[in-house]
Amino acid sequence: GEDVEQSLFLSVREGDSSVINCTYTDSSSTYLYWYKQEPGAGLQLLTYIFSNMDMKQDQRLTVLLNKKDKHLSLRIADTQTGDSAIYFCAESPVLSGGYNKLIFGAGTRLAVHP
Amino acid sequence: NAGVTQTPKFRVLKTGQSMTLLCAQDMNHEYMYWYRQDPGMGLRLIHYSVGEGTTAKGEVPDGYNVSRLKKQNFLLGLESAAPSQTSVYFCASSYPGLAGYEQYFGPGTRLTVT
Repeated sequence: GEDVEQSLFLSVREGDSSVINCTYTDSSSTYLYWYKQEPGAGLQLLTYIFSNMDMKQDQRLTVLLNKKDKHLSLRIADTQTGDSAIYFCAESPVLSGGYNKLIFGAGTRLAVHP
Repeated sequence: NAGVTQTPKFRVLKTGQSMTLLCAQDMNHEYMYWYRQDPGMGLRLIHYSVGEGTTAKGEVPDGYNVSRLKKQNFLLGLESAAPSQTSVYFCASSYPGLAGYEQYFGPGTRLTVT
């Protein structure tokens, strides 16, 4: 079946690195995504990684993919208070039934404190 | 560009009442989606559309109906609201394709059914 799991809460000190973890079940997923949701807003795509990659870096963000363990992580360097949000991991299975299907995790609430 | 907009932002209904949520996008996207977001859970797909005049059921379609009479609009209807439909509803749109296309989200509609 399709399932995405992530821890629900992470608290970090401002300036430290944050690491948000996610596991997924569908090994056919070609793309894996991280979306960010700020309070009272919709989801915004933060970054994504194609399944034939094992790492992607984009400024302060680093995505690591371990296909063997079906484990995805998002590292935010030098975490700022503006990074406080809910982060959703999502997978996009190949056998999607004719549309651009996304399976979301429950979201990790990142709290950044001084 | 406004992107994806949703109307209304908030609504309170009594059990048994009906309402329609409107989603509009100005990006000429073929695909549109309605999700609901409940505490501690990821987004779950209610219905989706792969083009004007077509709709299909998602993961949790019961109690909802949709229509896509114009390419830019996707309407979600609740014919007889129930407290279990208290949720935050998100609309999204994307380019066509089976995987890998970013979904753009609206700001959400917070619905409470008493």
